[in-house]
Amino acid sequence: DQQVKQNSPSLSVQEGRISILNCDYTNSMFDYFLWYKKYPAEGPTFLISISSIKDKNEDGRFTVFLNKSAKHLSLHIVPSQPGDSAVYFCAASGGNSGGSNYKLTFGKGTLLTVNP
Amino acid sequence: ETGVTQSPTHLIKTRGQQVTLRCSSQSGHNTVSWYQQALGQGPQFIFQYYREEENGRGNFPPRFSGLQFPNYSSELNVNALELDDSALYLCASSFDRFYGYTFGSGTRLTVV
Repeated sequence: DQQVKQNSPSLSVQEGRISILNCDYTNSMFDYFLWYKKYPAEGPTFLISISSIKDKNEDGRFTVFLNKSAKHLSLHIVPSQPGDSAVYFCAASGGNSGGSNYKLTFGKGTLLTVNP
Repeated sequence: ETGVTQSPTHLIKTRGQQVTLRCSSQSGHNTVSWYQQALGQGPQFIFQYYREEENGRGNFPPRFSGLQFPNYSSELNVNALELDDSALYLCASSFDRFYGYTFGSGTRLTVV
């Protein structure tokens, strides 16, 4: 039972254009969502997060949108740069008690390639 | 401020053996979690420790066990290794779940 889904295994965009990465979730108890970026041979690096009480959070070139009714979130990168090329993971937490609230449930990731 | 460090970076073990992986948490973080990332998959939650006690566990068998020490460093132990245990093992530390999780670079375990 995959509770966090990233249905696009890969995405290719031109430098300077917008990259949109999508994520769907099934557990309505999730209340905190995060995006991580991962380069080969490195651990995931935190990018941006959003609480379920918000529908948008922005940090520089990165914006995350949350649509709770559709159980959908997206990450927008504007403008895209070649250095953004990496695997992007969507993750969610919450819906449990105590320490289990810390558990992150990840999607399978989307490989973003930004072409010069 | 130091990040999360994991050792070793790579490891090759034989089926049936036991392995111990180590993690040093980021300074100020009191919670450590371990994740297994198989090829082509997202990280899967193994378990979490808070103040030296396990307080959350994923769908992993008891042969996966761990420890957290007073300095908040941690170990992941896997007994009776199976071929399917081959994966990248990631350690993450945090202070509060709303303040983010810092991941280490992982230990690549290969079971032959």
